[in-house]
Amino acid sequence: DAGVIQSPRHEVTEMGQEVTLRCKPISGHDYLFWYRQTMMRGLELLIYFNNNVPIDDSGMPEDRFSAKMPNASFSTLKIQPSEPRDSAVYFCASSDGRPRKTEAFFGQGTRLTVV
Amino acid sequence: GQQLNQSPQSMFIQEGEDVSMNCTSSSIFNTWLWYKQDPGEGPVLLIALYKAGELTSNGRLTAQFGITRKDSFLNISASIPSDVGIYFCAGTPFGNEKLTFGTGTRLTIIP
Repeated sequence: DAGVIQSPRHEVTEMGQEVTLRCKPISGHDYLFWYRQTMMRGLELLIYFNNNVPIDDSGMPEDRFSAKMPNASFSTLKIQPSEPRDSAVYFCASSDGRPRKTEAFFGQGTRLTVV
Repeated sequence: GQQLNQSPQSMFIQEGEDVSMNCTSSSIFNTWLWYKQDPGEGPVLLIALYKAGELTSNGRLTAQFGITRKDSFLNISASIPSDVGIYFCAGTPFGNEKLTFGTGTRLTIIP
């Protein structure tokens, strides 16, 4: 299996622009997680889906952030409008829930820089 | 929110040495996981623990779920160059399924 695939690997954008991050989970995994990693706050869970349905989005920082999972093989995390403080590495992870959903496989991440 | 304190923050060791690091929380956890992150990569799961007192090994790595359910330990025996990276503990607090990550321990091997 190719693992969790994220794109792009790097994104540089200007403040105010819309940013869309993409994720393809491992085939057969029905849990999908979006994390953000910064030096100050470490790894934070933003939102997770089960069977394409958002289960917990309490970690989404603001209304500027939105995530969708239109089907089992694709998810997006969108920031509109982007701000410099959104600069971070965003990880997508997936799990088949066995033995627990917490045993997730991470993608390589998207490094976002907002200037 | 939940706080996971990892120590030490960084370690500088020589190849062949054993390594110990730990993670503590202010509340009871149901699950403890240990991940390793290499530069430019996502975290990779090393060991998962689900029962208080559980001791689990993965090659040269051994982790334990503390009996108080508020801590966990990771040991690496006979370190090798590829052990370099950042090690994160993670866990799910009692009554909450959300995975919380520790602050990380950066391991460096001195030539």
